[in-house]
Amino acid sequence: EVQLVQSGAEVKKPGESLKISCKGSGYSFTSYWIGWVRQMPGKGLEWMGIIYPGDSDTRYSPSFQGQVTISADKSISTAYLQWSSLKASDTAMYYCARLISPHMIAGAFDYWGQGTLVTVSS
Amino acid sequence: EIVLTQSPGTLSLSPGERATLSCRASQSVSSSYLAWYQQKPGQAPRLLIYGASSRATGIPDRFSGSGSGTDFTLTISRLEPEDFAVYYCQQYGSSPRGSTFGPGTKVDIK
Repeated sequence: EVQLVQSGAEVKKPGESLKISCKGSGYSFTSYWIGWVRQMPGKGLEWMGIIYPGDSDTRYSPSFQGQVTISADKSISTAYLQWSSLKASDTAMYYCARLISPHMIAGAFDYWGQGTLVTVSS
Repeated sequence: EIVLTQSPGTLSLSPGERATLSCRASQSVSSSYLAWYQQKPGQAPRLLIYGASSRATGIPDRFSGSGSGTDFTLTISRLEPEDFAVYYCQQYGSSPRGSTFGPGTKVDIK
């Protein structure tokens, strides 16, 4: 069974750093692109970027380029999303999700993590 | 960047009725790389349709997708109580600039 399990909720202060995780199981982790999606409170879905764990090739939405870093450790089948200096506007639910076809960079997300709620408040 | 517009913003219908949701792109979506998702409160989105018209695994056949180019439609033939949710379209064919989601259509009970 394919599963993506995300790390737990975080409460941080502005200016702090954060790294959240997404562990894949039940499939070949290195063969599928994994993406991150932001959902701000009461709002819609925003595509942030994707990574191919096989070689760490990464693509970002222009809206998120330079604001976050996406990485992966294929040895432990885990993808990451990190911030070096959080802002209150980073408060949101963050989902990881797997692209539907192996190796293909263009794809819908067929399996989703449960989400990680990040709250940034002074 | 391809911008997606969904209409209507809210659709109020009764169980058993037919729902027709629209997704329009600011430019042509290559290879019909258009997907639809359902999201219920407190849950992660669920993939319904990909490639504009292919149902994802386990999705009931009352859900169907159609369209090409810039105009796409999600149809729910007969609404079940569990279908009341928010629906998002997504285009994923504009690499390397990535993918975008539409703003969503809420289907609620009339």
